[in-house]
Amino acid sequence: DVKVTQSSRYLVKRTGEKVFLECVQDMDHENMFWYRQDPGLGLRLIYFSYDVKMKEKGDIPEGYSVSREKKERFSLILESASTNQTSMYLCASIISLGRGYGYTFGSGTRLTVV
Amino acid sequence: QKEVEQNSGPLSVPEGAIASLNCTYSDRGSQSFFWYRQYSGKSPELIMSIYSNGDKEDGRFTAQLNKASQYVSLLIRDSQPSDSATYLCAVKGYSGGSNYKLTFGKGTLLTVNP
Repeated sequence: DVKVTQSSRYLVKRTGEKVFLECVQDMDHENMFWYRQDPGLGLRLIYFSYDVKMKEKGDIPEGYSVSREKKERFSLILESASTNQTSMYLCASIISLGRGYGYTFGSGTRLTVV
Repeated sequence: QKEVEQNSGPLSVPEGAIASLNCTYSDRGSQSFFWYRQYSGKSPELIMSIYSNGDKEDGRFTAQLNKASQYVSLLIRDSQPSDSATYLCAVKGYSGGSNYKLTFGKGTLLTVNP
């Protein structure tokens, strides 16, 4: 059973803290993605990675950075957390669907910045 | 900016009825289309993928694709209360180094009333 694991289900951090969100996948796929999900705004892509050490900005990269040192691990970093980064963060990787593929998501990290 | 549009709902149907969820997309070059189900507080779960014009059936679910109209839909037959969830439409584009980037609609909330 393919799996994407996010290290924390809930996090509470203070404004200005540096925050690390970790994601590990066991599907040996090159592509991994970080999204945030907010009511009324849907899923928005923050960053994605298409290989080790390769990354590309998504639609809302400001205030975030990422790290991909190993194929199975993709980390999202909030350099200086702010209250507007309070959100649900979802990591995704790729599963094969025979003819095509799809995303499988981790269980999500609900981050509250106070 | 590639866009995926869905009616936000809520869409309310009685148990046993057919629920019809609709999605339009702006990028004519899109090739792959997905439906995800998301229960409250949970991460999205892939339920259908479709790549060619026409219908694709899987159990009680039917996905319909019309590329000329840039329209994709999901039909749920014999709706059950357990189908109550937010349904996300997702469309594959191409961006930079990743051939797997998906753009998501904001989702339609479906409520099935017993």
